[in-house]
This record gives sequence, structure tokens and C-alpha cells, in this order.
Amino acid sequence: GAVVSQHPSWVICKSGTSVKIECRSLDFQATTMFWYRQFPKQSLMLMATSNEGSKATYEQGVEKDKFLINHASLTLSTLTVTSAHPEDSSFYICSVLPDRLGRMNTEAFFGQGTRLTVV
Amino acid sequence: GDSVTQMEGPVTLSEEAFLTINCTYTATGYPSLFWYVQYPGEGLQLLLKATKADDKGSNKGFEATYRKETTSFHLEKGSVQVSDSAVYFCALSDLDSNYQLIWGAGTKLIIKP
Repeated sequence: GAVVSQHPSWVICKSGTSVKIECRSLDFQATTMFWYRQFPKQSLMLMATSNEGSKATYEQGVEKDKFLINHASLTLSTLTVTSAHPEDSSFYICSVLPDRLGRMNTEAFFGQGTRLTVV
Repeated sequence: GDSVTQMEGPVTLSEEAFLTINCTYTATGYPSLFWYVQYPGEGLQLLLKATKADDKGSNKGFEATYRKETTSFHLEKGSVQVSDSAVYFCALSDLDSNYQLIWGAGTKLIIKP
């Protein structure tokens, strides 16, 4: 069964509104979660690293005021796209890095993704 | 920094053909290597992985061997099916990348009946 639940799976919103995407780790605690964005026919682009209890670390070129990340608990991270515009339309995917001993072999688990369409 | 290079797609094959999707990597440490698959309209799923040199990951008829001497992790399948049509991503993770996944660009695979 799924170990990461991402919600909603798709959303259509009007330009200027905000959209919140949730990423829940179902089977384990995760201090670290990642948010990716995928453009059509391209690979995943890491947007930010979400750390429980502290500020997210954003990749270069990603507007932190536009893409708000909150990681309030060890099982939930949220990404809010504020004042969305059509160019924000994309596929957003979260991944969860389980807290385990011996992190050399840790693998990440992915949510199902959220298709955001801004009209 | 770490990087992953995989062959460009799309790759188009007939059903029951042999598949190879090349993946090479650059890393300063000893990464774990992964293949992820994205079926149409779905999220990413881990297909297989290998955590040390000479390890072979396998799943659903797919295999990939961690070759440190050639820094490669090529994906192979002996007989593909239409249902294998998807986008395949090679990725690595290691201490130097703070365990973030470093991704290849993805290879779209199209299998024709």
C-alpha cells in the first residue's frame, strides 16, 4: 500500500488564488521531505527541502514567498502556491525521506503527485 | 557535484523486444542507485535499486547492475510488454548530496503491439 499520501491529486484554480498541497507520511516519521516540480517532458526539479521544525531550504531560483512550505509535524508537510498564475501550472510531487538509523541506504518514497492547473 | 546522465528518448520498441536504457553517473562518494518509473497519469514509483558495487537490482523482469568501474547502472529487460510503456528515471543518492535524489532527465519508453 501507499506509504506517502499526497492530496489533492489534481486541482484547478483561478489566477490570483492560493492552493495548498498536502504530503503525509503514512508509515514512518520523516524529518525531511522534498518538494519537486515536473515540467512536461522534463525531469523533476527539486524546489525545496522541507525540514520539520525549521525553515525550508529552497533551491536557487525558487521563490520562497510564492511557494510556502510548512513542515509542522514529522508526518506532514504542506506546499502552498500563493497568488497562483498560469505559469505555475505544473505537476508537483513530494517525497519523504524516512528517519532511520544507517542512512546510507535510505530511499525516498514519493507521493502520487498533484496536477495544478491555473486558469 | 553529483550528476546522472541517461539516454534520451523516446525509445520505441515492439512487444517482446529486448530493452536497454543507459544510465551513467558522476559521484565523489559511494552512491545508492535507483530506477524509478512513471506510468501515464501516475506518480513516481521505485522500480529497483542497488546500494553497492556489483549489486543487481531486479523487479518486474527489469534488471540493473551497479558497475562502479564504468559508473553505470543500465536498465534492461529481456522481453518488453505494452504495459511497460512509461517514463523511466535513473537517480542516485549519497552523503555528498545530503541524500537528496539526483535525477536523470528521464527516458520515455513506447512499446508497440
